[in-house]
Amino acid sequence: AQSVTQPDIHITVSEGASLELRCNYSYGATPYLFWYVQSPGQGLQLLLKYFSGDTLVQGIKGFEAEFKRSQSSFNLRKPSVHWSDAAEYFCAVEPTGGYQKVTFGTGTKLQVIP
Amino acid sequence: GAGVSQSPSNKVTEKGKDVELRCDPISGHTALYWYRQSLGQGLEFLIYFQGNSAPDKSGLPSDRFSAERTGGSVSTLTIQRTQQEDSAVYLCASSPTTATYEQYFGPGTRLTVT
Repeated sequence: AQSVTQPDIHITVSEGASLELRCNYSYGATPYLFWYVQSPGQGLQLLLKYFSGDTLVQGIKGFEAEFKRSQSSFNLRKPSVHWSDAAEYFCAVEPTGGYQKVTFGTGTKLQVIP
Repeated sequence: GAGVSQSPSNKVTEKGKDVELRCDPISGHTALYWYRQSLGQGLEFLIYFQGNSAPDKSGLPSDRFSAERTGGSVSTLTIQRTQQEDSAVYLCASSPTTATYEQYFGPGTRLTVT
């Protein structure tokens, strides 16, 4: 069964600083990979996804993520964080081939200080 | 266009009572998913529908939980004889087809069992 690990429960960064949120997965092959964001009082919103091809994927709000097969990782990055990025971020994996069970990590809560 | 809607937004119930949670997916979306988000936990997959059928019910925590979908649209998640451990936010998501793997989430129903 697939699993997702987000080792950082809570991260605090200064506004304007760079950000990297870690995600490691366990799955027998390369799954489909996602990052979602949940802002306070909001539903989850897809930031970006990786299916195949270029291992560096661009998403909304200036986020990007890099898939590293050798490390089973899909880390989320942003060069310069804005106060509005404060939210909870979830990494998720789904097996390829049409099976629809998506497994989410436990989330990383991002705090942005001025 | 309208997003995924869920009702009620909040539900407080007494232990032992039955509750029904409703999800209205985005019009035309064929796939529908239910998740549970407990405090400090990630999203726990419960069930998904493809049309009106549920190929994967493996995530339902017990036989007190059931779900149905009618007309390929609205879905209802029913919890019978609620327990305190059922307290959580229940999230619904829909997807335009089962091949895109992108899910659109509703705002959730916060269930509190007293």
